[in-house]
Amino acid sequence: QVQLVQSGPEVKKPGASVQVSCKTSGYTFTTYSISWVRQAPGQGLEWMGWISTFNGNTDYAQNLQGRLTMTTDTSTSTAYMDLRSLRSDDTAVYYCARSYGGNWVDFWGQGTLVTVSS
Amino acid sequence: DIVMTQSPDSLAVSLGERATIHCKSSQSVFSTSHKKNYLAWYQQKPGQPPKLLIYWASTRESGVPGRFSGSGSGTDFTLTISSLQAEDVAVYYCQQYDSTSWTFGQGTKVEIK
Repeated sequence: QVQLVQSGPEVKKPGASVQVSCKTSGYTFTTYSISWVRQAPGQGLEWMGWISTFNGNTDYAQNLQGRLTMTTDTSTSTAYMDLRSLRSDDTAVYYCARSYGGNWVDFWGQGTLVTVSS
Repeated sequence: DIVMTQSPDSLAVSLGERATIHCKSSQSVFSTSHKKNYLAWYQQKPGQPPKLLIYWASTRESGVPGRFSGSGSGTDFTLTISSLQAEDVAVYYCQQYDSTSWTFGQGTKVEIK
């Protein structure tokens, strides 16, 4: 069965960086793109960007450009999200999500809570 | 970016009654080349990731109960729960995927009256 399993919760200080991993299984990794969506406490869903697992092309939300990098390791079917220069308003649950052709999300990771606090 | 606006922000409906959620996009998400509306609906329960309900504005995802339906075209869309069940208490989001930069509505919280 399709699974997206994310790394565990993180606590970071302002200015630090965080990496969240998303290990996939149950399907051909390079057939679907991976998007990252975050959700601040009690708030709605915010699209962060996506990466083509086929060729590594990326598209990031404008407000995160310069701080965000998405990568994949096709040998382990794992996607990574790196966010730098963390601020308190980056505190959120971060989800990886699978989509076909950049369309809707049909499978989500379980979410990773990233807390940014001094 | 395309702005997605949902209404209402919350609603309370009696068990077995109809719940209707609206989603309006700031520009059309209809593709004339593919003849499809690039809009999806998700359900999110507390502590869980969202779950896909509807894509292409009106196509129900496999396994989603028939009481959930989507309609609309262009800029105006509706998610209808025909007979609300207790397990439908959740927040519902619309999402456009017409542009490569996805955007979501702010969410509509559905509760039991």
